Amino acid sequence: DTGVSQDPRHKITKRGQNVTFRCDPISEHNRLYWYRQTLGQGPEFLTYFQNEAQLEKSRLLSDRFSAERPKGSFSTLEIQRTEQGDSAMYLCASSQPGQPYGYTFGSGTRLTVV
Amino acid sequence: GQQVMQIPQYQHVQEGEDFTTYCNSSTTLSNIQWYKQRPGGHPVFLIQLVKSGEVKKQKRLTFQFGEAKKNSSLHITATQTTDVGTYFCAGSLVRFGAGTRLTVKP
Repeated sequence: DTGVSQDPRHKITKRGQNVTFRCDPISEHNRLYWYRQTLGQGPEFLTYFQNEAQLEKSRLLSDRFSAERPKGSFSTLEIQRTEQGDSAMYLCASSQPGQPYGYTFGSGTRLTVV
Repeated sequence: GQQVMQIPQYQHVQEGEDFTTYCNSSTTLSNIQWYKQRPGGHPVFLIQLVKSGEVKKQKRLTFQFGEAKKNSSLHITATQTTDVGTYFCAGSLVRFGAGTRLTVKP
């Protein structure tokens, strides 16, 4: 499979617990993005990486959120002390600058905080 | 907040009717991208527009980028039930609009 992979597809967690999601981008793409999407809304930008460098982080991302891309390949998004308002679809996308093919999205991880 | 604004928020059409969604930005965009998200799915890239006044077609879909590079439109001719979904525009650094949700009545 040469697409963007996200794991897990679904996660149910209790409020206050930590969760971690993984994204494997298309191998030749050096940019990786994280978005959050709630029902009826467009994807909301969280952060993006170029290779291993985190170049931008949304102000919407509280201190409870952290993302890493240690070797410039896969990335993880961790949410600490989850709250009910964190319930959403977390989408990962990757791209290669200069190619007019847009961003390739993964199928997302749906987080439910109970 | 969102970099781009989209209208309408919802559009319900009879199969065979045309459909248009509009995307507007307060600032000049270096490029604009359009995505389609089917119900329960993830956004799928449709096209990127870069040049002022650019018009691109994909079968029944026509995409335009305004002369000032602050607005864009997507027009679907003779909608089909397969066109159902939410259409998003995205500005620089892929900040998405809220999308236009299209439903098509057979």
